[in-house]
Amino acid sequence: NAGVTQTPKFQVLKTGQSMTLQCAQDMNHNSMYWYRQDPGMGLRLIYYSASEGTTDKGEVPNGYNVSRLNKREFSLRLESAAPSQTSVYFCASSENFVNTYGYTFGSGTRLTVV
Amino acid sequence: AQTVTQSQPEMSVQEAETVTLSCTYDTSENNYYLFWYKQPPSRQMILVIRQEAYKQQNATENRFSVNFQKAAKSFSLKISDSQLGDTAMYFCAFMKGAQKLVFGQGTRLTINP
Repeated sequence: NAGVTQTPKFQVLKTGQSMTLQCAQDMNHNSMYWYRQDPGMGLRLIYYSASEGTTDKGEVPNGYNVSRLNKREFSLRLESAAPSQTSVYFCASSENFVNTYGYTFGSGTRLTVV
Repeated sequence: AQTVTQSQPEMSVQEAETVTLSCTYDTSENNYYLFWYKQPPSRQMILVIRQEAYKQQNATENRFSVNFQKAAKSFSLKISDSQLGDTAMYFCAFMKGAQKLVFGQGTRLTINP
């Protein structure tokens, strides 16, 4: 029972490089989310997908793009990484966008941009 | 927009003591949901407890309980008989129906032997 799986777990990038963070869930959830976690700031929403085929910006979308590849997978892409994007990234999912039971989270990706 | 504030960046207590983590929030809504998540060193986000705003009774899960004060917009987490495994970051979070989960800044809790 994997839940939400994120890859990779750790990554170091040079400024200007690009990469894609992968996320997959096996709970047949409709909604998926990407958050970043920074010290003293909690978790902030980057992008979300309320259902397959839709994506929307969250609180801090600049510098990121997302793709909802299918119902299971939701990827986050950094086109030109910057040191300000050094963070821990979490993917999460929920049964539906209108839900009151919180989200199921992956184990995170620690990204360092040098 | 809803905001969630955790005013205690760090706390430290001895094993077996009781500790209370504070959380306040700002909303004009009447029906909403509040959560406490635990993040141990493994980074995994674990749901500890959930409170429905329209229920006056405070939620309880084993050693974890909340003090929900709706009028004061306060939602504190009490951990009784603290254990070494309770050492973690704790996040308070707010949600209303079709809105996204909004998190506080987090409190780093250390349980000392």
